[in-house]
Amino acid sequence: EVQLVESGGGLVQPGGSLRLSCAASGFTFSSHWMHWVRRAPGKGLGWVSRIKSDGSHISYADSVKGRFTISRDNANSTLFLQMNSLRAEDTAVYYCVRGYSQYAVYFEYWGQGTLVTVSS
Amino acid sequence: QSALTQPRSVSGSPGQSVTISCTGTSSDVGGYNYVSWYQQHPGKAPKLMIYDVNKWPSGVPDRFSGSKSGNTASLTISGLQAEDEGNYYCCSYAARDTLLVFGGGTKLTVL
Repeated sequence: EVQLVESGGGLVQPGGSLRLSCAASGFTFSSHWMHWVRRAPGKGLGWVSRIKSDGSHISYADSVKGRFTISRDNANSTLFLQMNSLRAEDTAVYYCVRGYSQYAVYFEYWGQGTLVTVSS
Repeated sequence: QSALTQPRSVSGSPGQSVTISCTGTSSDVGGYNYVSWYQQHPGKAPKLMIYDVNKWPSGVPDRFSGSKSGNTASLTISGLQAEDEGNYYCCSYAARDTLLVFGGGTKLTVL
């Protein structure tokens, strides 16, 4: 059974940092694109970032470029999102998502999410 | 404000068909055949229903079909069933800084 378990969310002040982790199991982690997708309170889904199976290709949403860094540890089946210079508008539930098959643009399995609240 | 525009809600009776639209621009929906649709039930994770505009992942019934015309993609659900009730989101690849953009979601009610 595919499982994605996020951790690392919490309350942080504007300008602060957080590091999210996603522990993956039940599939060959090193074979799939992985994404972070978020949902702000009362809003829809928003794609944040993606990383290729071997870490060789990375993309970010314009709103987080230069502040967030995605990475992965294939040996330990873990995905990360380092979030710096956090803003109030980054407040959201952050989901770790596995890509569908070999595709870089579709989402198949989602974690339950971890809440990030940016507030003073 | 979501990048792709979907109706807030649609409804239909069991056995009927409904269509959910997803309108973007020539830089996303209109420019690429990388449109997907996701179904989400309350408290559950989204489920991939359609990809590449009109393809089904394994296990998705063919009552769900996708299409595209110009800058608008559509999801049609035929033979509506009670379990189809939920929220539906479209997503498209986009040729701009944010590579993947979502619609705001459509709530489907089965009457």
